[in-house]
Parts: sequence; structure tokens; C-alpha cells
Amino acid sequence: SQQGEEDPQALSIQEGENATMNCSYKTSINNLQWYRQNSGRGLVHLILIRSNEREKHSGRLRVTLDTSKKSSSLLITASRAADTASYFCATGGTNAGKSTFGDGTTLTVKP
Amino acid sequence: GAGVSQSPSNKVTEKGKDVELRCDPISGHTALYWYRQSLGQGLEFLIYFQGNSAPDKSGLPSDRFSAERTGGSVSTLTIQRTQQEDSAVYLCASSLAAGENYGYTFGSGTRLTVV
Repeated sequence: SQQGEEDPQALSIQEGENATMNCSYKTSINNLQWYRQNSGRGLVHLILIRSNEREKHSGRLRVTLDTSKKSSSLLITASRAADTASYFCATGGTNAGKSTFGDGTTLTVKP
Repeated sequence: GAGVSQSPSNKVTEKGKDVELRCDPISGHTALYWYRQSLGQGLEFLIYFQGNSAPDKSGLPSDRFSAERTGGSVSTLTIQRTQQEDSAVYLCASSLAAGENYGYTFGSGTRLTVV
């Protein structure tokens, strides 16, 4: 089974609105990463948050991590049509060299 | 190179044939990963290499799948006697080191279709 699970599976908003996606996981982690994927091809790394961090920002992106609840959220502020994509969380485990990916959230931003 | 390069970008093969997929990681990245993604699904881990250590093959779905990494750089994923369920996008990624706090850089993938 996947370590990270995103919620919701699909999200549709209007341009200018904020988009929030959530990720839950089951076991202890070293870090949690968020990626964006356009058109079912390669993923683009957005942000990595370490297990000892609670919040991180990058441009219009804000990521939070709550290790007590084993959950993370990705907030995209002032969304644009170009933000339309699938977003995946991935967890880097404490004893694993590879990251485990969830099934993703499909975001549609309507102009 | 500047990014992770995968070839071919698309491959159509007949059931039962062997295929080889190639990945050229970012220079200096010691970790290299293979994932596959079926249509509309998440990423399924296949195998990863870290430096000169033995690879973690725990995700390979059957003994028809194998991979090697020559000289700590280019990797080839081989699928023997392909089946229709092997159809997917095969994604390669590299990072500075495995198990550390580094993000992955992905290639554009190889879309494999077995007919």
C-alpha cells in the first residue's frame, strides 16, 4: 500500500482562489516532498520539508507538516490556470533510501 | 547533463519481446531511481541505486524485470518477455544521495505500450 495518501483526489477552483491539498502517511519519516506533474510525464520537485520542520514557504506555496497527526498540507495561493496539474506527496522514510509516493490530487484551475 | 534524460520517449512493442529503457542521470547525483506509473495512478517504486552499494530491488514486480547502472552513471531497465500489464510510463529520477533530505529530479519518462 502507498505510504502517502492525498486528499482530495480531485479539486476544481477558479483562478485567484487558494487550493489546499492534504497528505496523510502511516510510518515515521525523515522528510516529506511535494511534486507537480503535467500531462502524465515527469514530476517536478516543488518543496521538501524535514521531519523537524513545521512550515515551509516557496513563492505562492506553503507546506505544513504535523508529525503527531502524520499529515501534511500544500497550499497554493492566488491560483493560476497554469497551476492545473496533478500534485503528489512523497515520504522519505527513516530506514528507506527511496521515497514512497501517493496517488495524487488532480487540480483544475478555471480561468 | 542539465537534467535527467530518458530514452526512448515512447516505445511500442509486441507481447513477448524484450525492451530496454535508458536513463542518464544528472552528473554528480549518486542515487538513481526507477518508478512506473499506470494511467491515472500514483508512482510504483521499482528499484534504486546508491553509489557502489547493492541496489534495492524490492519493487521489481517479477524476475522479468532487471536493471543495471554502469560506472555509477547511466542505467538501463530491461523487461524480458513483455506482457500487456507492463504497459505504463517508466520514470527515472536521480538525487544527490539516497536516504538524505534531497528532492528528486525526474526525467520525462518512457511510455511503454505492449500490444
